[in-house]
Amino acid sequence: NAGVMQNPRHLVRRRGQEARLRCSPMKGHSHVYWYRQLPEEGLKFMVYLQKENIIDESGMPKERFSAEFPKEGPSILRIQQVVRGDSAAYFCASSPWDGTVNSPLHFGNGTRLTVT
Amino acid sequence: AQTVTQSQPEMSVQEAETVTLSCTYDTSENNYYLFWYKQPPSRQMILVIRQEAYKQQNATENRFSVNFQKAAKSFSLKISDSQLGDTAMYFCAFMGLASGTYKYIFGTGTRLKVLA
Repeated sequence: NAGVMQNPRHLVRRRGQEARLRCSPMKGHSHVYWYRQLPEEGLKFMVYLQKENIIDESGMPKERFSAEFPKEGPSILRIQQVVRGDSAAYFCASSPWDGTVNSPLHFGNGTRLTVT
Repeated sequence: AQTVTQSQPEMSVQEAETVTLSCTYDTSENNYYLFWYKQPPSRQMILVIRQEAYKQQNATENRFSVNFQKAAKSFSLKISDSQLGDTAMYFCAFMGLASGTYKYIFGTGTRLKVLA
């Protein structure tokens, strides 16, 4: 059973460009979370999605950031008009969420975004 | 809002010794889950141990155990017989059930270095 797949592993964008980060959850997982990790900091919650549904986006900046998890295909975190402050590691995690502690988050290897 | 505090930014321990990492959290909920995740230099987030709040018995996983004090809202991680491979960032995480959004809140992490 393949783990959570994130691509690309590294992404370099110039200021003003768009960044698209992809996440394929583990097979059978219907819940996807996106977290941002700044250098030497912890994980900051951004958004939590189920298929075709945003459940909680309280951690997403109001502008330039969006996320989706379509019925088919990976979850996408999209950052428009990137700025240097967007440089960070972005982690995706998935969960089958059966309502118990037996369904913890499984993380991908992250995408390191560098804005030049 | 729930918060998770890890008051030790860095710690070190001699190989084969025991070390305890502290974590406190703030919540008004009675039913929730707690986790410890490890992030080695590879950046992969790895689940170390999990605890259900309604269980009084402390969770153990081989050399890893927790001291869960619900009244004090404390959830410390003890690593026995430390090994060089335990060198990593350790994150404490809280997941509450009352809100229905199942959002995981992470602490800022403790960088553990195991010395040979």
